[in-house]
Amino acid sequence: LAKTTQPISMDSYEGQEVNITCSHNNIATNDYITWYQQFPSQGPRFIIQGYKTKVTNEVASLFIPADRKSSTLSLPRVSLSDTAVYYCLGFEGGGFKTIFGAGTRLFVKA
Amino acid sequence: NAGVTQTPKFQVLKTGQSMTLQCAQDMNHNSMYWYRQDPGMGLRLIYYSASEGTTDKGEVPNGYNVSRLNKREFSLRLESAAPSQTSVYFCASSGGGGRGNSPLHFGNGTRLTVT
Repeated sequence: LAKTTQPISMDSYEGQEVNITCSHNNIATNDYITWYQQFPSQGPRFIIQGYKTKVTNEVASLFIPADRKSSTLSLPRVSLSDTAVYYCLGFEGGGFKTIFGAGTRLFVKA
Repeated sequence: NAGVTQTPKFQVLKTGQSMTLQCAQDMNHNSMYWYRQDPGMGLRLIYYSASEGTTDKGEVPNGYNVSRLNKREFSLRLESAAPSQTSVYFCASSGGGGRGNSPLHFGNGTRLTVT
């Protein structure tokens, strides 16, 4: 993925669906698209990962177009507890150099 | 299982002092990482170890050294601390082959202040 680009911040209201898009123009053939969530004063935690098309788990969905140059993290019906920073990861070199970037700060309002 | 354990949790140093941050994982993971996070900022990779016996520089390696002591332990050393190194330091491990195919597991962080 090398360098990734995501919005710096987003606001939403409780109950809405939130979509955060990440651009990764230099994605390598073997790269997985991986998203993490971080709450204040905690380490990041893994949310979802995909290689192509769509992946869904109990927390989120991940949409990946055919060219894989971007991905969209979708959080259904957000609550106040979803207020956090969301990171789309990049990889350099042999793939172990894992880059977090600045992330997207999501603020959910009541 | 404890997962990833970092010690100490908090530390205050004076400029010029040295210290070692310890990290141990009990998940039999091959890869380990050190990140720093300044207030209001994202995580920046300091050093990583893809496998036991190897270490490589990340985005911000200056002022730091690392040792992959064995498969479980990966330490980060500040030889001469500077105020610019005031940050929260996170250690992480992963069992996969890189490129995001296996999630990173993080410790709870070490909060370091250099005065």
